Amino acid sequence: AQSVTQLGSHVSVSEGALVLLRCNYSSSVPPYLFWYVQYPNQGLQLLLKYTSAATLVKGINGFEAEFKKSETSFHLTKPSAHMSDAAEYFCAVSEASGSARQLTFGSGTQLTVLP
Amino acid sequence: DAGVIQSPRHEVTEMGQEVTLRCKPISGHNSLFWYRQTMMRGLELLIYFNNNVPIDDSGMPEDRFSAKMPNASFSTLKIQPSEPRDSAVYFCASRRDSLTNEKLFFGSGTQLSVL
Repeated sequence: AQSVTQLGSHVSVSEGALVLLRCNYSSSVPPYLFWYVQYPNQGLQLLLKYTSAATLVKGINGFEAEFKKSETSFHLTKPSAHMSDAAEYFCAVSEASGSARQLTFGSGTQLTVLP
Repeated sequence: DAGVIQSPRHEVTEMGQEVTLRCKPISGHNSLFWYRQTMMRGLELLIYFNNNVPIDDSGMPEDRFSAKMPNASFSTLKIQPSEPRDSAVYFCASRRDSLTNEKLFFGSGTQLSVL
């Protein structure tokens, strides 16, 4: 069984400040981990993914995430927030093995960027 | 490619009516997912098809919900009869299964309001 916990349903940062969105997972097998972003009135888009290669993963729009097995975490960061980063962010996990490889999503974190 | 196409974008209906949501996955993708997004529960996987066959429907909330995938290019999610608590955004997503490609492509969603 797999699960994802996103700490903080709402995060506010000032423009130019560091963005940190937290994600912890549990999985009985080596996981694949993902961050998706949802802009208003749109579907989800993949930001980045970890699939057992490098533990520091770089994604689009300047975001990156680091896989830390000892902490079962996959936090999303961006050094400097931009107004256009305001959106909802979802962390997701899937099992790296097995035929189903379904994604389990966290409950989401709404990011607000203040001017 | 036009991406995952869902219709309608918005649906307003009265309690007790039948609702049919439609999805056209990306050509060549062999897995299709239906998700429901609510404020209370975030993103929930309802059902997952692989090669047009339902693999896991454990997320379908009740017998009032049914989903079909008659061919590789079309799927429907039907609610009959609909209830106010079914109000949510319903997302369809598709993916081409491979050993390493886990990327899900989402449609823009159908906003369902049951009065």
